[in-house]
Amino acid sequence: NAGVTQTPKFRVLKTGQSMTLLCAQDMNHEYMYWYRQDPGMGLRLIHYSVGEGTTAKGEVPDGYNVSRLKKQNFLLGLESAAPSQTSVYFCASRLSQSYEQYFGPGTRLTVT
Amino acid sequence: GNSVTQMEGPVTLSEEAFLTINCTYTATGYPSLFWYVQYPGEGLQLLLKATKADDKGSNKGFEATYRKETTSFHLEKGSVQVSDSAVYFCALGDQGGSEKLVFGKGMKLTVNP
Repeated sequence: NAGVTQTPKFRVLKTGQSMTLLCAQDMNHEYMYWYRQDPGMGLRLIHYSVGEGTTAKGEVPDGYNVSRLKKQNFLLGLESAAPSQTSVYFCASRLSQSYEQYFGPGTRLTVT
Repeated sequence: GNSVTQMEGPVTLSEEAFLTINCTYTATGYPSLFWYVQYPGEGLQLLLKATKADDKGSNKGFEATYRKETTSFHLEKGSVQVSDSAVYFCALGDQGGSEKLVFGKGMKLTVNP
């Protein structure tokens, strides 16, 4: 039981490049979330999903897209990276009947 | 909307000192309340939770009581250890549709031997 895993752990992009972050969970959780963590800002919700095939915007969705084609995977895409997207990205998941979220180890992204 | 305000620090304590991290919230209804901890280089882990007024959550020597009258959920530990060095986040369960967590900004704690 690996819990929540994230790929990659680190990435450096140039402005304008694109990339996809992968989140996978093996706990059969219905809900999945993408957050970004910035100094002094806490965690801010980017997008979330309440089930396979569904996604919704969170607090800071601009510049990001997501997809949830399979229940266990939640992908976060950056189509044209900007320096303002330099951050640590965390994925989380939970069961529908509980508020307790389980977090992945994070992806540190730097956009130059 | 719902929000969480917590001490931001950073805070440095000596081993065996008493710790309090204040957390207050603004919410409609009766949200669930949480403390998450983030150790260096890792993701967040649930430390403790409380789901209704007067509930006390506890784990690893940490405690927090859900106080509806003061809308607070302060975290306490009687004697901190070096291994408690981490960032601590207060959060509430937002029942506004996404059932998401609303986090405070986090407080970095360093415990020196």
